[in-house]
Amino acid sequence: AQRVTQPEKLLSVFKGAPVELKCNYSYSGSPELFWYVQYSRQRLQLLLRHISRESIKGFTADLNKGETSFHLKKPFAQEEDSAMYYCALLGGNEKLTFGTGTRLTIIP
Amino acid sequence: DVKVTQSSRYLVKRTGEKVFLECVQDMDHENMFWYRQDPGLGLRLIYFSYDVKMKEKGDIPEGYSVSREKKERFSLILESASTNQTSMYLCASRPTGNSGANVLTFGAGSRLTVL
Repeated sequence: AQRVTQPEKLLSVFKGAPVELKCNYSYSGSPELFWYVQYSRQRLQLLLRHISRESIKGFTADLNKGETSFHLKKPFAQEEDSAMYYCALLGGNEKLTFGTGTRLTIIP
Repeated sequence: DVKVTQSSRYLVKRTGEKVFLECVQDMDHENMFWYRQDPGLGLRLIYFSYDVKMKEKGDIPEGYSVSREKKERFSLILESASTNQTSMYLCASRPTGNSGANVLTFGAGSRLTVL
């Protein structure tokens, strides 16, 4: 079975401070991992995916297979980063499994 | 530029009623999904479909059924609504193909309240 764990339901960070949203996964094969974001009153949308190895809106995430983690990081938080963030795993059965989400609040 | 459309943003139904949630996508995607989104529980997969008339159970299919008669349309059906089905329902789609296609496009959501 595949599982995604986001240990923090809520995270508050001051503007300009570093942000790290944690994500751990459980999967026996080679997963594909994603971060999705939902801003207030907007649709859920893709933020980034590990195979792209890109930085989106200043966020990066590195897949660490040894620690089975895919933490989302940003060096300097901005107010517009306040949102709900979901980590997700795509397994070999074409099923995308989401974590329980972390609500990030940036304090001005 | 709306690509996944959910017909109802807000619905209020009574216990025992039959409820239809409709989803239409205009991107010619093969795969369509229904999730429910609950605070503290994240998104949980109810059903998905990888082709017309095909369906697969997700993690929480009990109390739900689906219909995919046309490629662009995927309907979620609550045969007899119950209060524990009060939730936000999200439809999503994605194409089949290479790994670059493994990204879901979501609808705006349908918030269902069952009284």
